[in-house]
Amino acid sequence: GQQLNQSPQSMFIQEGEDVSMNCTSSSIFNTWLWYKQEPGEGPVLLIALYKAGELTSNGRLTAQFGITRKDSFLNISASIPSDVGIYFCAVAGFGNEKLTFGTGTRLTIIP
Amino acid sequence: EAGVTQFPSHSVIEKGQTVTLRCDPISGHDNLYWYRRVMGKEIKFLLHFVKESKQDESGMPNNRFLAERTGGTYSTLKVQPAELEDSGVYFCASSQGIWAFHTGELFFGEGSRLTVL
Repeated sequence: GQQLNQSPQSMFIQEGEDVSMNCTSSSIFNTWLWYKQEPGEGPVLLIALYKAGELTSNGRLTAQFGITRKDSFLNISASIPSDVGIYFCAVAGFGNEKLTFGTGTRLTIIP
Repeated sequence: EAGVTQFPSHSVIEKGQTVTLRCDPISGHDNLYWYRRVMGKEIKFLLHFVKESKQDESGMPNNRFLAERTGGTYSTLKVQPAELEDSGVYFCASSQGIWAFHTGELFFGEGSRLTVL
């Protein structure tokens, strides 16, 4: 089946630092999504991307849909303690509703 | 308005036993999905209900897994008999429209953590 390669697997950063993570696929997709899962909660959508090359921001978060339609990245600027969690990229298939998720990037903020 | 609720939040069972997970979607949501995350791996699609009908069950691992959604309301996912590799977090999600994930209208529950010893 389809597979998304997400990196890094985990990040340990200090508060105030910027964060960058990315996701690649061997297949082309029309929609890239970024989700965040906080401890004890389910995933919540952060950003949805629909067009190759598109750059979208949501507060301190910025995500881009790669021009080849095979990758996406997510940046978080000036991290704060509540950014802690697991970030997942996801793609939607053609003509179906099921999502394929990446393996996640666990973000930990060191005090 | 209540979100997607799942029960139990954590279940610890021995290999060979049976476990039933329950999901109550948001009221009025016809679409209900089950996903699973095995530790350290991706969140994988299991199946999709539209009302009481199984729209897509291509992600169900094997016939030890049985999902039902009688009456099109809550859903159960039964694992019988459970194996060690079934351990993980089982997420349920619901939506009103089928393309809801585009607009953030696909809502996930908190998950049911299953530990098989």
